[in-house]
Amino acid sequence: GESVGLHLPTLSVQEGDNSIINCAYSNSASDYFIWYKQESGKGPQFIIDIRSNMDKRQGQRVTVLLNKTVKHLSLQIAATQPGDSAVYFCAELQGAQKLVFGQGTRLTINP
Amino acid sequence: DTGVSQNPRHKITKRGQNVTFRCDPISEHNRLYWYRQTLGQGPEFLTYFQNEAQLEKSRLLSDRFSAERPKGSFSTLEIQRTEQGDSAMYLCASSLDGTSRAFFGQGTRLTVV
Repeated sequence: GESVGLHLPTLSVQEGDNSIINCAYSNSASDYFIWYKQESGKGPQFIIDIRSNMDKRQGQRVTVLLNKTVKHLSLQIAATQPGDSAVYFCAELQGAQKLVFGQGTRLTINP
Repeated sequence: DTGVSQNPRHKITKRGQNVTFRCDPISEHNRLYWYRQTLGQGPEFLTYFQNEAQLEKSRLLSDRFSAERPKGSFSTLEIQRTEQGDSAMYLCASSLDGTSRAFFGQGTRLTVV
C-alpha cells in the first residue's frame, strides 16, 4: 500500500549547524504534507506544512522543500539548537482527513 | 492552556480490564482524531469525528475499541478487555473545518500488565 518513509532513523549534528531531515512518499496523488516534532513523553508538535502546489515554504528557522518529481520532502532546520533534539515525523494526508506518518528521524544535537 | 487536553496522562491496567480515555479538543475545532503510537513508530490513525459524527474508522479499531463524541466537544475512547498488545500511547488531535492542520495532545500512555 501507499506509505511514507524516512531515509535515516537517526541524525547527529553539531550545535549551530543546519540540519536536513528527508522523507520519501509514494502516493503521487497526495497534496498535503506536515512535519511534526515529538519530544520524549509528549505528543507531536506541529512545525510546518506544505501543499503540493508549492515547492518551498519557510517558517521560523525551518524550511520545507517538496520535490514532486521524485516524491521527496525535506525539513531544513537552520542554526540547530539543543532544544531541537527530538524525533521528527513527516506525515501525508490520505483521503479527507487521515494523516499517515513515517517512522521518524531522531535528531541529536552535539555541543 | 488552549491546546488539546488528554486525561489521564498515564494508565496502568491489568489484562482483561476496561479503560476509558478522554480528549478535550481545541474549543473551536470541530474535527477530532484518535491515533495510536507504539514505541519507535509513528502515530497510526484510529478514527475521526466531524462534530458528533464518527466518519472514519481504521481496521486497527477492533470491536473491543469504541469512541464517542456525544455533543461534538470532548471525546472518549474505551478499550474493553484490554490485552498486552494494547499497550501504547493514545493520541488525540483536533483541527478546524476547512484546514488539514491537526494539533495533537500530550497523549495517554497505556500499559497493560
